[in-house]
Amino acid sequence: SQQGEEDPQALSIQEGENATMNCSYKTSINNLQWYRQNSGRGLVHLILIRSNEREKHSGRLRVTLDTSKKSSSLLITASRAADTASYFCATGLDSNYQLIWGAGTKLIIKP
Amino acid sequence: GAGVSQSPRYKVAKRGQDVALRCDPISGHVSLFWYQQALGQGPEFLTYFQNEAQLDKSGLPSDRFFAERPEGSVSTLKIQRTQQEDSAVYLCASSLQIDYGYTFGSGTRLTVV
Repeated sequence: SQQGEEDPQALSIQEGENATMNCSYKTSINNLQWYRQNSGRGLVHLILIRSNEREKHSGRLRVTLDTSKKSSSLLITASRAADTASYFCATGLDSNYQLIWGAGTKLIIKP
Repeated sequence: GAGVSQSPRYKVAKRGQDVALRCDPISGHVSLFWYQQALGQGPEFLTYFQNEAQLDKSGLPSDRFFAERPEGSVSTLKIQRTQQEDSAVYLCASSLQIDYGYTFGSGTRLTVV
């Protein structure tokens, strides 16, 4: 069963624009992680944000976490064609080693 | 090695055949996970090892699935008497600690015909 729900399911934008993806979840969490997956490849870890953090940055990536709304967003600024991939959020639950995954957002960057 | 290595990259099996999928995690990573990913979906948890101990196998879909990590490093996922519904990408991930990000391998795409 999947806890995370990414929104939108698919997103197509012009190169250079910003891309925002959202993730909602149902239960209390220890952390929330974002991963990228290029077609036919494994998942690449992007950012981990802990439940006591509200915002985190890494290069062109910005992640926010709102535990009161049980939601997170991933912002990619100044998008590039190489950012075309599927993006997944995964929640690490309290006292649990499992990650619960959403179905992902498919991002297409048009040159 | 520098990353998590999985082999084979692709496997085509005839229905009823047994298969073995290998995962070589990052050296020193205590935690190892197997996931199954269907096309267009997120990964689904199969099993978790801490060193050589299999602490959770609740995600294994049937008793045809078996995983081991005898020396706490390389792991093998075995599927006996494969069925068409076993067709998926099988992902292995390792982590230094369970609440750190995971490093995934490129996966094994299994097709059962």
